[in-house]
Amino acid sequence: GAGVSQSPRYKVAKRGQDVALRCDPISGHVSLFWYQQALGQGPEFLTYFQNEAQLDKSGLPSDRFFAERPEGSVSTLKIQRTQQEDSAVYLCASSLNTGYNQPQHFGDGTRLSIL
Amino acid sequence: LAKTTQPISMDSYEGQEVNITCSHNNIATNDYITWYQQFPSQGPRFIIQGYKTKVTNEVASLFIPADRKSSTLSLPRVSLSDTAVYYCLVGPTGTAGNKLTFGGGTRVLVKP
Repeated sequence: GAGVSQSPRYKVAKRGQDVALRCDPISGHVSLFWYQQALGQGPEFLTYFQNEAQLDKSGLPSDRFFAERPEGSVSTLKIQRTQQEDSAVYLCASSLNTGYNQPQHFGDGTRLSIL
Repeated sequence: LAKTTQPISMDSYEGQEVNITCSHNNIATNDYITWYQQFPSQGPRFIIQGYKTKVTNEVASLFIPADRKSSTLSLPRVSLSDTAVYYCLVGPTGTAGNKLTFGGGTRVLVKP
């Protein structure tokens, strides 16, 4: 497709379960970002990839959060031992070039609910 | 990291011009100003970006005064479909560090 695709669109998990969220960026885009958006708040930065290299993971809230982009295209955000405070929308964005200030193209997110 | 301040909400009517001002008093020399629009259940959408003076594209204009301590997003002749949350971001070029903060945004409601 022409845009950033995220799957699943909705995910419900029980507390303590592991979840994996997928992001398919726009083909050829070098940069990939993950954000967490709580209800009524703006997106909060989690991590940044330049191709397959994870250059910045300073926004990951705990060591239960892990992201990878092994071949420089598709990325997966994994959350281990989920907790209720992990409930949020997880947004993925990609941009053509490197850097934080390039216009970012966002997917519509995965809404994660932890019961 | 430059902090931004925007009004929480604004109301307007169809056909009017909407101006949203963002304050960023501690903007750094290499910081750019970027605006995004977000509809419910969708990801943010890039609107416009600028460094100084005025930038215009097919959907909006961005006015940045000489001191760059604020910026104004101008949406001409809004329609009901412009009802959304608008975010102002200030951040540098480069690839080091956690430099992107969306903040709470401005909720714009366009009324018929």
